[in-house]
Amino acid sequence: SAVISQKPSRDICQRGTSLTIQCQVDSQVTMMFWYRQQPGQSLTLIATANQGSEATYESGFVIDKFPISRPNLTFSTLTVSNMSPEDSSIYLCSVGTSFADTQYFGPGTRLTVL
Amino acid sequence: EDQVTQSPEALRLQEGESSSLNCSYTVSGLRGLFWYRQDPGKGPEFLFTLYSAGEEKEKERLKATLTKKESFLHITAPKPEDSATYLCAVQTSGGGADGLTFGKGTHLIIQP
Repeated sequence: SAVISQKPSRDICQRGTSLTIQCQVDSQVTMMFWYRQQPGQSLTLIATANQGSEATYESGFVIDKFPISRPNLTFSTLTVSNMSPEDSSIYLCSVGTSFADTQYFGPGTRLTVL
Repeated sequence: EDQVTQSPEALRLQEGESSSLNCSYTVSGLRGLFWYRQDPGKGPEFLFTLYSAGEEKEKERLKATLTKKESFLHITAPKPEDSATYLCAVQTSGGGADGLTFGKGTHLIIQP
């Protein structure tokens, strides 16, 4: 399985600011995804990060709030913009190599917004 | 709308006491069903993928099974280190999306 790292591992931010989270994989992967895990809740898909094109967002998530980049097959970023306390969550990236293939998750970024 | 429901929400067992966790799903078309284990403060760790009804997979004390409506994660003679939250997720063929839809998980505690 791929080795996935995320930076930062955790951060405490002020309301109204933005934070960019990085996801790095040790091998080329076809698919990369971003999920959110709110306190006490399960994982919710935010978007699919598409290499070379705009990300595909799930219902309830918009590009202005969660801009995503994917410049190559091993790296992606998720920005949480204009943060509010409701954005306090764990943000996780995951990767997959093919259709209906297993997805492997990074360690997550724990974000607290004050 | 795709739905994944896990039960029970929490389960406390004595070491060596076998049990099963349930994951029921309602989806438009199932590509795959996934089981993950999540420890506090960590990302989900992959356990199993099941693709079709009747399929079974085993790993150490865990065995996953799949029917057309639900999946079970059987844990045999568990040890304290099996304590974790177990997550079930589905990948569906509708809408072109490849992401996973997760249940809320079962928080499992194994007491020595």
